[in-house]
Parts: sequence; C-alpha cells; structure tokens
Amino acid sequence: EDQVTQSPEALRLQEGESSSLNCSYTVSGLRGLFWYRQDPGKGPEFLFTLYSAGEEKEKERLKATLTKKESFLHITAPKPEDSATYLCAVQAADGQNFVFGPGTRLSVLP
Amino acid sequence: SQTIHQWPATLVQPVGSPLSLECTVEGTSNPNLYWYRQAAGRGLQLLFYSVGIGQISSEVPQNLSASRPQDRQFILSSKKLLLSDSGFYLCAWSVLGGQPQHFGDGTRLSIL
Repeated sequence: EDQVTQSPEALRLQEGESSSLNCSYTVSGLRGLFWYRQDPGKGPEFLFTLYSAGEEKEKERLKATLTKKESFLHITAPKPEDSATYLCAVQAADGQNFVFGPGTRLSVLP
Repeated sequence: SQTIHQWPATLVQPVGSPLSLECTVEGTSNPNLYWYRQAAGRGLQLLFYSVGIGQISSEVPQNLSASRPQDRQFILSSKKLLLSDSGFYLCAWSVLGGQPQHFGDGTRLSIL
C-alpha cells in the first residue's frame, strides 16, 4: 500500500530562520512527488512536481529535493507570509491517483 | 487559463437531509475530476474520481455518491447526511494522466 508521512506535524520559526520539512514515502514505483501549500479555509495550491531522485525545484524562498525514499522542502529566510500547511503527495507509476500526507503546519513569526 | 469553481463555500445541514455540492472547471476539455474530503489534521482522502462523462470510480464505501453529467461538471451528493459526513470537501481537476492536480477552494460542511 502506498503511504506518505510528513514531519514535523507543526513547526514554528522566527522570520529569517531557515529550516526543512520532510516527506517520507512508500510507493510501488514513483511517477511523481508533489508539494502543495494550503492556507486556512482554502484549497491546496500546487507548488512543485519532482520525478526522479536527485531532482531539485526552486520557487522564491522554497526549494524541493527528492531521494528514493523522501523529499525535503527547504525554506530559506522565511517570512510571515510563508505561514501555511505544506502538503506532500505521491502518484504511483501504475495509477492516476494521488496519496497525500497529513501535512506540516508552518508558522513564521515576525 | 484554467479555473475551478466550487459552491457553496460553507453549508450547514441537519442530519438526514440531502446534499448536493457542485464543481465546474473552465478553460480545459476532458479533465480528470476528483472529490476529496479533508478532516482536521489529516491528509486528503480521495472519495471519487472521474475520467469522463458518466464514468465514476469510488475509492471509499460511504454515504455519498458522485455524478458527472457534463464534461466539466462534477457533483457530490447524498440522500441522507450523517454526522460523520462533516468535513472540508475539495474538488480537483487534472489533465489526462493525472499530473498535477489543481484544487478549488472547498466547501466546509457542518452537520447538526
């Protein structure tokens, strides 16, 4: 069974304090790994797709990396507007559907 | 560009009442469509997905049903709501092949 776990469950950072979020996955052949940002009361907003180990993607203060068993979302010098829940999802090679992790709730304090 | 619309944004319903949530997509043809439920502190649970008009796949047995009467319209329904149906319901679309999925802003459903 395909599974996704995320850690930590919640993370509080001071503005400018860099850190990383972890997404660990078990899947029978990876078609893609996806990162989303979700603000309270809103739907998830797509951030990145990663396809193979060693791949990296960047967007502003965010950088996503991928290994064969996990992905990291690195946040460099975060700002309060980066506060949100970050979701990770995987798509297996033999299917169209996504399996989502429970998310990491990030709070960035000014 | 493509957009996805869900309504209503919030809904309060009594136990035993019917439900109809609607989702429409603009700017694309023949999308894959999905209904998810998100419980507080938990991941998104896939309820239904559709690859075409009239084609519905159910992932979790439950009190809900889905229909796709038009190419870009997806409806989530129930004949009699249960307390356990409370939650945040999200509609999503993707191109053929499923990547990536794009979400609407959701419906917050409260059952009293």
